[in-house]
Amino acid sequence: QVQLQESGPGLVKPSETLSLTCTISGDSISHYYWSWIRQPPGKGLEWIGHIYQTWTTTYNPSLKSRVTISEDTSKNQFSLRLSSVTAADTAVYYCARVVTGHDFYFYYMDVWGKGTTVTVSS
Amino acid sequence: EIVLTQSPGTLSLSPGERASLSCGASQNVNRNYLAWYQQIPGQAPRLLIKATSSRATGIPDRFSGSGSGTDFTLTISRLEREDFAVYYCQLYDRSPEITFGGGTKVEIK
Repeated sequence: QVQLQESGPGLVKPSETLSLTCTISGDSISHYYWSWIRQPPGKGLEWIGHIYQTWTTTYNPSLKSRVTISEDTSKNQFSLRLSSVTAADTAVYYCARVVTGHDFYFYYMDVWGKGTTVTVSS
Repeated sequence: EIVLTQSPGTLSLSPGERASLSCGASQNVNRNYLAWYQQIPGQAPRLLIKATSSRATGIPDRFSGSGSGTDFTLTISRLEREDFAVYYCQLYDRSPEITFGGGTKVEIK
């Protein structure tokens, strides 16, 4: 059974960099795309970006200038870095497995982590 | 950018009733790229429907999805108490970008 677990600081100061890690168990990171999604308090879901096999990344255009997603295949983990954070980046951050099929025949997120709350405050 | 609009914002129904949730896209989309998720408060989203109408593993058959073009629907045939939650539609387009609708809350009347 595939499980995902987010980890990282729960409190980040404004203007600093938010860093989170998603640890994958029960599957190899090499087989799928992996995504980060966030949810501000009381609001809907926002896709942040995804990564595939270390070098293929795509980001939400609204966050692209501040986001980096990377993989550590030796640890079966992928990570999120979001720079220059403000209070608007306060959210629950989720990692998820993405199923695309051959040549992006379809796209959906079938396994999600429980989420981790990040608060941006001084 | 394709915008997804979910309606209604809130649906007040009783257990046993039928729920119809709408997801409208601002332009025609590929059916394979439309998915639905359920989120119970305090929990992560759970995949319900992939590729417009295919139920995810373990999802009861009271959940069904349909639609094409710009109009998509999630139907819950008979509401169970555990179905009262927020539902999101999600689209992949080849920009590439992934978009979520604003959500529909199904609450107990």
